[in-house]
Amino acid sequence: KQEVTQIPAALSVPEGENLVLNCSFTDSAIYNLQWFRQDPGKGLTSLLLIQSSQREQTSGRLNASLDKSSGRSTLYIAASQPGDSATYLCAVEVRYGGATNKLIFGTGTLLAVQP
Amino acid sequence: DVKVTQSSRYLVKRTGEKVFLECVQDMDHENMFWYRQDPGLGLRLIYFSYDVKMKEKGDIPEGYSVSREKKERFSLILESASTNQTSMYLCASSLGAYNQPQHFGDGTRLSIL
Repeated sequence: KQEVTQIPAALSVPEGENLVLNCSFTDSAIYNLQWFRQDPGKGLTSLLLIQSSQREQTSGRLNASLDKSSGRSTLYIAASQPGDSATYLCAVEVRYGGATNKLIFGTGTLLAVQP
Repeated sequence: DVKVTQSSRYLVKRTGEKVFLECVQDMDHENMFWYRQDPGLGLRLIYFSYDVKMKEKGDIPEGYSVSREKKERFSLILESASTNQTSMYLCASSLGAYNQPQHFGDGTRLSIL
């Protein structure tokens, strides 16, 4: 059974620091890995999607890597800003039944960037 | 830009009531999903639909049903609400079944008293 774990559960850093969020999964049979951001009381915003054949994806100050064989992904945030404060979730896409796939989510890392 | 709209941000209902949560997307997406999010448990899939009038059970379908009469609208129904269904409910949609990012609404925080 696929399980997704995110460590640490919470992280506080001063503004300007570079930081890394970690995600691990137990079964390497995935289609892709996705990173999301969730602001308090809001829905999820898709940040990056890394397909299983890819090693990394970049968007602005964000860089996500994927090592499928070891079951790990990292989200690197450069030059952090207070506006980056949110919960970051990772999810893996896996086969589900005959017609489609589904996402399995980690429980997230709550990031606080102090001004 | 992608837009998924959930009809209510906050909802308070009583046990035993029949509750409808509505979700509309404007991207002509094939797939739509309902999740619930609880502290310590993360997001769990309740139901999904990959076409009009098609629905599939997710991981925790008990106590819920869904309806998709039109492509853009996906409704979650709590047949007889119970207190353990108090939660944050999130709707999402995606263009296709594989390797497509899911786009989420802002969620409905439902309290059952």
